[in-house]
Amino acid sequence: LAKTTQPISMDSYEGQEVNITCSHNNIATNDYITWYQQFPSQGPRFIIQGYKTKVTNEVASLFIPADRKSSTLSLPRVSLSDTAVYYCLVGVLHYKLSFGAGTTVTVRA
Amino acid sequence: DGGITQSPKYLFRKEGQNVTLSCEQNLNHDAMYWYRQDPGQGLRLIYYSQIVNDFQKGDIAEGYSVSREKKESFPLTVTSAQKNPTAFYLCASSIDPGLSSYNEQFFGPGTRLTVL
Repeated sequence: LAKTTQPISMDSYEGQEVNITCSHNNIATNDYITWYQQFPSQGPRFIIQGYKTKVTNEVASLFIPADRKSSTLSLPRVSLSDTAVYYCLVGVLHYKLSFGAGTTVTVRA
Repeated sequence: DGGITQSPKYLFRKEGQNVTLSCEQNLNHDAMYWYRQDPGQGLRLIYYSQIVNDFQKGDIAEGYSVSREKKESFPLTVTSAQKNPTAFYLCASSIDPGLSSYNEQFFGPGTRLTVL
């Protein structure tokens, strides 16, 4: 299983862009990179998934360099409601995905 | 509305008692999962099922049991053998992992179990 490393916490202010980088040095050829968001006392919610280069949806962008050993989740113009824990997962089999401790993002006014 | 429901939201039990947590989905998903989350930590996989009448142990299956008699339902029993059962339990479902590499799991609202 590809191990991931991401910062424990990050602080930001409303309107700023937040970038969370996840390291996954031993990512396998078939592995996808997936990000989830979790609010307190709720289940995680899928945000975005990518394999290489850049993926963008209405919520976030995911940047993956050519070597795929890291990825960066970008949240544009965050608001207070973006305060949550963000998980980086690497894998291809759903039941092999590992939710680590994640990154706690705190957005302040 | 399609989704996953878990009940109850809060559950209290005395030590030595078994308790069953309910999980139902109407998304027509083949795969279902149970996770445990302790305060300040990530999710740990307890059991998963890829198809009806089949399930596999996850990373922390000891002290838990499951059944998958219907596609829509995947109940989890926390037995008295589980040493530290107080936690937040999350159920999830997804399309057949064998059919897609799309790693989206849909999670229920969770059940917070407290052992008194």
